Amino acid sequence: DTAVSQTPKYLVTQMGNDKSIKCEQNLGHDTMYWYKQDSKKFLKIMFSYNNKELIINETVPNRFSPKSPDKAHLNLHINSLELGDSAVYFCASSRRTSGTETQYFGPGTRLLVL
Amino acid sequence: AQSVSQHNHHVILSEAASLELGCNYSYGGTVNLFWYVQYPGQHLQLLLKYFSGDPLVKGIKGFEAEFIKSKFSFNLRKPSVQWSDTAEYFCAAAAGNKLTFGGGTRVLVKP
Repeated sequence: DTAVSQTPKYLVTQMGNDKSIKCEQNLGHDTMYWYKQDSKKFLKIMFSYNNKELIINETVPNRFSPKSPDKAHLNLHINSLELGDSAVYFCASSRRTSGTETQYFGPGTRLLVL
Repeated sequence: AQSVSQHNHHVILSEAASLELGCNYSYGGTVNLFWYVQYPGQHLQLLLKYFSGDPLVKGIKGFEAEFIKSKFSFNLRKPSVQWSDTAEYFCAAAAGNKLTFGGGTRVLVKP
């Protein structure tokens, strides 16, 4: 009965590889997000989708491409991985796109680029 | 641009001590405020939130926060901490549909 789930939980890969992280929510929410948490625990939004449409796209290299096949899923594909991409990536969802809505976070995907 | 700052990066205290974590935001318009907690190895969970009304907000696990508009602050408090409160605490502000987080405060409660 996990609300927001992410796979994989851990990802170790070489520089230059392409990898994907998957996120699914079973809360019936309309809006989903991707956040990056760096080694200093600083948490920053990357993308937000509402009903499969991109609504927030922060200053993120275009090597990062989100894809939302339906409103319950938001996947993150990363091309040509770099050392600086090592971080914890959190997926989140909220009932709708509004500043008053609580965001529910997934368990995180720990990405290590060697 | 909206920003959130948390002044204490690390706090160490003993069980039963009182806790107060500072949070200031910079945004001129209507802003909604949140405190999230991240226990070791776990995901972020909502502690409490403020949208309007009573500026003193009570959350889960005995936490409360006070919104002071004139100071652009939303400080988190707990009168008596437990060892299980050891975690990273994040203040966040939402203007429109974008949530901005502070840098976090790592709290270590010694038994």
